[in-house]
Amino acid sequence: GESVGLHLPTLSVQEGDNSIINCAYSNSASDYFIWYKQESGKGPQFIIDIRSNMDKRQGQRVTVLLNKTVKHLSLQIAATQPGDSAVYFCAGGVENSGSARQLTFGSGTQLTVLP
Amino acid sequence: EPEVTQTPSHQVTQMGQEVILRCVPISNHLYFYWYRQILGQKVEFLVSFYNNEISEKSEIFDDQFSVERPDGSNFTLKIRSTKLEDSAMYFCASTPRAPSEKLFFGSGTQLSVL
Repeated sequence: GESVGLHLPTLSVQEGDNSIINCAYSNSASDYFIWYKQESGKGPQFIIDIRSNMDKRQGQRVTVLLNKTVKHLSLQIAATQPGDSAVYFCAGGVENSGSARQLTFGSGTQLTVLP
Repeated sequence: EPEVTQTPSHQVTQMGQEVILRCVPISNHLYFYWYRQILGQKVEFLVSFYNNEISEKSEIFDDQFSVERPDGSNFTLKIRSTKLEDSAMYFCASTPRAPSEKLFFGSGTQLSVL
């Protein structure tokens, strides 16, 4: 079955530096990936998504890179700010599958932004 | 921006008691979900609901769980006889049109079973 995980459980960066959070997936059929941000005591908040027909997608201060060859995606946050401190996790699945159950979540990386 | 709202934010209950967690999904969304997250673990799918019936459910969603949409706005999760291992954060979510698009999550209900 699908497993989606992250390489590092914690990441500390200096304010203003760039952050890179990684995620690996196992299901070759997965074609849709989402990054969520979860602040303490809150629900996951959508950041950015990417489909498998793309290698890269950019948002406001965030970029997601998808490497289908090695089944890896990353989230890059530019000029990290204190408000970026949170748990970040990826989710992957098959878009247009008609199934929510197949969307699998990773365990998360705790990003801490140091002053 | 419209959001999913959940009440209560915290619920403490005794083992064996029934609890009802409440959610108001985004008004024009068609699909509703419950997820749970045990402390420090992954978000896990429980159930999806569409057109007033369950679409899918996971192995976690056993006979002790039920969902209901009692009116046009509320979506509830009932746990009939809570167990210690039901302690978790429960998230309600909704999607506009399809079950595999991006989810809009509520802030969650932290359930503590004593």
